[in-house]
Amino acid sequence: EAGVVQSPRYKIIEKKQPVAFWCNPISGHNTLYWYLQNLGQGPELLIRYENEEAVDDSQLPKDRFSAERLKGVDSTLKIQPAELGDSAVYLCASSLSGLGWQGSTGELFFGEGSRLTVL
Amino acid sequence: GQQVMQIPQYQHVQEGEDFTTYCNSSTTLSNIQWYKQRPGGHPVFLIQLVKSGEVKKQKRLTFQFGEAKKNSSLHITATQTTDVGTYFCAGSDNYGQNFVFGPGTRLSVLP
Repeated sequence: EAGVVQSPRYKIIEKKQPVAFWCNPISGHNTLYWYLQNLGQGPELLIRYENEEAVDDSQLPKDRFSAERLKGVDSTLKIQPAELGDSAVYLCASSLSGLGWQGSTGELFFGEGSRLTVL
Repeated sequence: GQQVMQIPQYQHVQEGEDFTTYCNSSTTLSNIQWYKQRPGGHPVFLIQLVKSGEVKKQKRLTFQFGEAKKNSSLHITATQTTDVGTYFCAGSDNYGQNFVFGPGTRLSVLP
């Protein structure tokens, strides 16, 4: 079974440029998460989708960040314009909904991440 | 909002020594998960605890959920070099709808 796929793995851009990340979750996983991970820190939630609906985007800096999950499968995360402080790893994760839902263990499956460097 | 803390931040041990990391939440949790992230890798699920006072074992790893469901621990017996990485706890207070990750404990094992 294929895992969570993210692209690109690495991206280097200059500040004020736009950037987009793509995520393909595990087939059948209706919950999708975007996390930000700074060096030496734990993942921080940016947005959570249940199918195509963004159910928690309270931590998403909406002035420059946007996300979408059309058709409730793939998702994209965009930053425009990027700032120096946005340099981090952007992790996508997927899971089956809720604890015990359809036999779900609640486990989050993470992709390899997209490492962004803003110069 | 919910906050999750972990101690220690770093731990260096000699191979064969034991290791413990502690996780504390500012709110009562419904469930807690533990993840391991190898250097350069992504977090990988280890286990989930749901019941108050629950103890689960995976070979040399022992996981415990506190009676008040506000703290948890991970203990590794006789560490090996393959145990190197950062261990994160992730707590949820709404039955897995949202998980808040701790800052992690970075384990180094000297051969």
